[in-house]
Amino acid sequence: GENVEQHPSTLSVQEGDSAVIKCTYSDSASNYFPWYKQELGKRPQLIIDIRSNVGEKKDQRIAVTLNKTAKHFSLHITETQPEDSAVYFCAATSTGTASKLTFGTGTRLQVTL
Amino acid sequence: EPEVTQTPSHQVTQMGQEVILRCVPISNHLYFYWYRQILGQKVEFLVSFYNNEISEKSEIFDDQFSVERPDGSNFTLKIRSTKLEDSAMYFCASSGRTDSNQPQHFGDGTRLSIL
Repeated sequence: GENVEQHPSTLSVQEGDSAVIKCTYSDSASNYFPWYKQELGKRPQLIIDIRSNVGEKKDQRIAVTLNKTAKHFSLHITETQPEDSAVYFCAATSTGTASKLTFGTGTRLQVTL
Repeated sequence: EPEVTQTPSHQVTQMGQEVILRCVPISNHLYFYWYRQILGQKVEFLVSFYNNEISEKSEIFDDQFSVERPDGSNFTLKIRSTKLEDSAMYFCASSGRTDSNQPQHFGDGTRLSIL
C-alpha cells in the first residue's frame, strides 16, 4: 500500500520568512495530493491540493509543487504569519471509488514574532 | 459553507461498552469516510463508504467496528466492545460527485476516551 513520509517533523521560522515542508510517496498510482492544516484540537482543514497532471499550484501565499518522477511533493508558505502556526499534513491517494487518504506524519510549524 | 458535523464532541466510555459516533456529511456528497487520530500522531484511514456499502477498510477496522447509513443524512461508526487503545479522535469526512479525487472535507471530530 501507499506510504507517505513527511519532514521536517517540526519547523520554526520567523514571521515573514518562508517555510517549506516536503513529502515523498511510494505508490506510483497516486495522483491526488492534498495538504491539510490542523490547529490544536480542531479538524484537518484542506488548504491546497494538486493533481498529478500539473507540476505546481499556487494560492496566494501557499504553493505546492509535485515531482512525479521522484515521487515527492512540497508545500511552500511565503511571508509566514503567526496564524500559520499549526500542524500541516500531506496526503496522497489514487483514483478510485471512495479513495482513502494516506497521511504523512505531520509537521508542526511555529511562526515566531 | 456547508460542513460535516459530528456528535458528540467528546465521548467517555467504559472499556467493553459499545459506542456509536455520529456524523452528518455534506448534503450532496456521495462518499463517506472515517479516520482516527491517536493523540500526537497522524491521521489514519479506517473505512470508506459509497452506495450503501463499504468500499475499503484498513487493518484497524476489525470485526469490532461497523458503519451504517441509517437514513439519508446520518453516517455512523459503531465500536462494539471498546478497548483502551480505541481512545483517539475520530474524524468523519465526505467528498462529492461520482468521480474520485474530490476533496475530502472533515468534521470537527469526536474525542473518544475509554476508561
